[in-house]
Amino acid sequence: DGGITQSPKYLFRKEGQNVTLSCEQNLNHDAMYWYRQDPGQGLRLIYYSQIVNDFQKGDIAEGYSVSREKKESFPLTVTSAQKNPTAFYLCASRDPGQDEQYFGPGTRLTVT
Amino acid sequence: LAKTTQPISMDSYEGQEVNITCSHNNIATNDYITWYQQFPSQGPRFIIQGYKTKVTNEVASLFIPADRKSSTLSLPRVSLSDTAVYYCLVRGASGRRALTFGSGTRLQVQP
Repeated sequence: DGGITQSPKYLFRKEGQNVTLSCEQNLNHDAMYWYRQDPGQGLRLIYYSQIVNDFQKGDIAEGYSVSREKKESFPLTVTSAQKNPTAFYLCASRDPGQDEQYFGPGTRLTVT
Repeated sequence: LAKTTQPISMDSYEGQEVNITCSHNNIATNDYITWYQQFPSQGPRFIIQGYKTKVTNEVASLFIPADRKSSTLSLPRVSLSDTAVYYCLVRGASGRRALTFGSGTRLQVQP
């Protein structure tokens, strides 16, 4: 059963701590993306990767970091430098020959 | 990136046809128009994509006039399960292929 998994679904952290969100896909897609969604808003691009060992900053990359050591994995670290980390985080992937992005179920991060 | 404008919210009743119009006045020649659906606390799901005229699939139809400055997503005979946020996006044919989401249209279907 192919798809994108994100874990955990809910995550709670104290302010000042770094936290890593998991994103795994078994769709054999080259491109992967991380988006952030705030209540009542659309999605904003944090980072994207078009191939293994390469990634680029999106529109709101400050306070975040990523790695892409394997094709199927694209973890996102929310660092203590991110001023407002509480949000819904969505990972997506795309086949280079297609336009459609496939999204994971999301991780809701709450930092207090 | 072409900016899109769509209504903040719409209400409908079960069984009705719903048309959501999106304005994209500065769409470029190579841009495609794509619609996604998002349920609360879930990731968006692709609905339909088109370049011009009309596109239809098992879920919806997409109408695009000749000037391509707007598009209309048509959902036939909506049900309660169609209650969701619908995003209109304009996407270029090259580049990072990331999607730029506006605030979308919140569709509420009543029984």
